[in-house]
Amino acid sequence: EIVLTQSPGTLSLSPGERATLSCRASQSLSDNYVAWYQQKPGQSPRLLIFGASSRAAGTPHRFSGSGSGPDFSLTISRLEPEDFAVYYCQQYAKSLTFGGGTKVEI
Amino acid sequence: QVRLVQSGAEVKRPGASVKVSCKTSGYTFTNYGFIWFRQAPGQGLEWLGWISGYSGNTDYTQKLQDRLTVTTDTSTSTGYMELRSLTSDDTAVYYCARMRISNLRVWPFGDYWGQGSLVTVSS
Repeated sequence: EIVLTQSPGTLSLSPGERATLSCRASQSLSDNYVAWYQQKPGQSPRLLIFGASSRAAGTPHRFSGSGSGPDFSLTISRLEPEDFAVYYCQQYAKSLTFGGGTKVEI
Repeated sequence: QVRLVQSGAEVKRPGASVKVSCKTSGYTFTNYGFIWFRQAPGQGLEWLGWISGYSGNTDYTQKLQDRLTVTTDTSTSTGYMELRSLTSDDTAVYYCARMRISNLRVWPFGDYWGQGSLVTVSS
């Protein structure tokens, strides 16, 4: 099973700041098969990024995904108040697994 | 617009079964599939299984493949997830999500999600 490790566990930032979230896989992921989701309390997850860097419909341009091999990241260029949430990465290169999540808090 | 509406909360005894439904609208059902996840209280996301709306092919997490069945009903554009022999470890919010299919292959991530169905297993 491919294990995804997200870091940091919690990111404490202010609106307007830049956030960089990391997702490291236990082995290299073919074809960059990584997705990122946002989840707010009491809500269903929302797809932000697939294929490591492709924005899903409705994803604001301040969200960008990058990476290859075992190392991937999600960057929020300037945090808006509605961006404070938990973010999960998911790999679908070999079966499916999720990272443990990064909480972005004020 | 794309909508996935799940069935309501359930309380089950240990050893029982639960079947969660996911009714869809706003897109061509057979051009996509379903992917099912769950989230235990205060925990992260766990993938359960998926089914292609085009071919009916399925895949399950190894951990649950003996107890889990996912199906679809094309006539009602509805997906189903049935989990048997429930234990307290199965207490979670269960989510369905739409799964993309293109070039005859599945892309197992969820692009639109249902609202979640809480399943509580308790004696």
